[in-house]
Amino acid sequence: SQQGEEDPQALSIQEGENATMNCSYKTSINNLQWYRQNSGRGLVHLILIRSNEREKHSGRLRVTLDTSKKSSSLLITASRAADTASYFCATGSHGSGNTGKLIFGQGTTLQVKP
Amino acid sequence: EAGVAQSPRYKIIEKRQSVAFWCNPISGHATLYWYQQILGQGPKLLIQFQNNGVVDDSQLPKDRFSAERLKGVDSTLKIQPAKLEDSAVYLCASSLDRGSGEKLFFGSGTQLSVL
Repeated sequence: SQQGEEDPQALSIQEGENATMNCSYKTSINNLQWYRQNSGRGLVHLILIRSNEREKHSGRLRVTLDTSKKSSSLLITASRAADTASYFCATGSHGSGNTGKLIFGQGTTLQVKP
Repeated sequence: EAGVAQSPRYKIIEKRQSVAFWCNPISGHATLYWYQQILGQGPKLLIQFQNNGVVDDSQLPKDRFSAERLKGVDSTLKIQPAKLEDSAVYLCASSLDRGSGEKLFFGSGTQLSVL
């Protein structure tokens, strides 16, 4: 089952503009993660924000988390053509045994035009 | 640090045939995951191992899919017999996992086409 729902499904912007993607989820979480996937490749971890955090930065990335609204956003500032990829949010929660469980959303496809 | 290794990279089979995928996780990673990613969708968890034990296989179609992780290291995922709807990318991932869902490291995946 998919936990996160992402919005928009597709986004097209010009190089230098900012890109914002949103993720909503349904159940309680321990953390929320964002991943990037270039066409034909595996996913690459971008950033993790824990449930007791509200905002986190990593380079040109800014992630916010609102647990009361069960939503998160990923902002990419000063976008580059190389940022063209699909972006997925994933919610982390306690799984069976002593392991975590990570459920992915459907993703946002970002196109950055040079 | 070597990444997650998967093979083969591509596989084309006919329906009702069998196929197997192999994954070697990052050394020391206790948790291994197999995800199925259908074109245009997010990855869907098929099975999760901690060391050599299964901790979640609730979404694994057990009538045709099987997976094992021998000695808590390498893993294989098998489909027998394959159906057209099994066409997807099969992603293997691993993590240190200290119980709260740490970040995953993914392999490049195996793209399966069932004709």
